Amino acid sequence: DADVTQTPRNRITKTGKRIMLECSQTKGHDRMYWYRQDPGLGLRLIYYSFDVKDINKGEISDGYSVSRQAQAKFSLSLESAIPNQTALYFCATSPQGYNEQFFGPGTRLTVL
Amino acid sequence: TQLLEQSPQFLSIQEGENLTVYCNSSSVFSSLQWYRQEPGEGPVLLVTVVTGGEVKKLKRLTFQFGDARKDSSLHITAAQPGDTGLYLCAGARGAAGNKLTFGGGTRVLVKP
Repeated sequence: DADVTQTPRNRITKTGKRIMLECSQTKGHDRMYWYRQDPGLGLRLIYYSFDVKDINKGEISDGYSVSRQAQAKFSLSLESAIPNQTALYFCATSPQGYNEQFFGPGTRLTVL
Repeated sequence: TQLLEQSPQFLSIQEGENLTVYCNSSSVFSSLQWYRQEPGEGPVLLVTVVTGGEVKKLKRLTFQFGDARKDSSLHITAAQPGDTGLYLCAGARGAAGNKLTFGGGTRVLVKP
């Protein structure tokens, strides 16, 4: 079984719709991250959480919000999706005190 | 502009050839990681380098961290089709466990 899971794997939606992407992990890590990936731009950090009560904005948080429901769950929401939010979205986890991050399989989101 | 610049962006070679991917920055990093990503999957960590001048070998892959800890390279000897993928460098600044900054990635295609 995968240690970091993301749902859905693919989603097509329309401009203005509210979308939630979910991430769950069984690794027992405190730290969780949301990234988006666009061709040639690598991974850019949207939000990160170092524990359940700690939520921080990343470099591109505008238009996104997150919820850390439990140590194992971290959700990303697009309140009103727009076409330039079309991208691959990845969730990642890391143990406290280590830089290595473990990634989920990604969600491909298309906003029409 | 990205904090970490990778070059080249794309590399296509024949099986058996050697290749080098570069990751450069004007900033100093406390550690640098290399990840490989295959289509439909999230990035997977290959190596972490932490000491200036450090060289690590992983079978046919050689990773080097610059003396000033601002740059890194990945060299693959006798590339195989299984080496095909997107290679990403990621730097951490400060204490272990801080968030990562990713380069734009180098897409490598090894043709049989």
